[in-house]
Amino acid sequence: NAGVMQNPRHLVRRRGQEARLRCSPMKGHSHVYWYRQLPEEGLKFMVYLQKENIIDESGMPKERFSAEFPKEGPSILRIQQVVRGDSAAYFCASSPPGLGKYEQYFGPGTRLTVT
Amino acid sequence: AQTVTQSQPEMSVQEAETVTLSCTYDTSENNYYLFWYKQPPSRQMILVIRQEAYKQQNATENRFSVNFQKAAKSFSLKISDSQLGDTAMYFCAFMGLSGTYKYIFGTGTRLKVLA
Repeated sequence: NAGVMQNPRHLVRRRGQEARLRCSPMKGHSHVYWYRQLPEEGLKFMVYLQKENIIDESGMPKERFSAEFPKEGPSILRIQQVVRGDSAAYFCASSPPGLGKYEQYFGPGTRLTVT
Repeated sequence: AQTVTQSQPEMSVQEAETVTLSCTYDTSENNYYLFWYKQPPSRQMILVIRQEAYKQQNATENRFSVNFQKAAKSFSLKISDSQLGDTAMYFCAFMGLSGTYKYIFGTGTRLKVLA
């Protein structure tokens, strides 16, 4: 069973461009979480999604950030008009339904650099 | 709101010695999980150990053990027989069971194991 996949691993964008980060959860997992890790800091929760639904987006910045988890395909975290402050590592985690939802499995992260 | 505090930004230990990393948290919930994650330079988040709050017995995984003091809201990690491969950032995380199961992370402790 492959782990959580994230791509790209590294992404460089100029200020004002769009960034799209992809996350493929583990097989059978229906819950996806996105976290952001700024340099020298811990991970901060951004958003929690189930298939086709945003369950909790309390950690998402109000503007420029959006997330989706369609019925088919990976979850996408989209950042429009990136700024230097968006430079960070973005981690996706997935968990299965049922009792297993208490443990999240993390992907390797996408490191976004805004120049 | 829940908070997690790691008061030791950096620590070092001699190879084969024992080291304890501290973590305190604040919550009004009675049922929750606590985790320790290791983040090596590769940035992959690796689960070290998990503790369910309803269990009085402290969790143990090989050389890693915790001292869980629920009343004091303390959750320290003890690493015995430290190895060079233990060098990494260590994050303490809290997950409440009354919400959306998002993780709240501390700011991390950078551990260096010295040869």
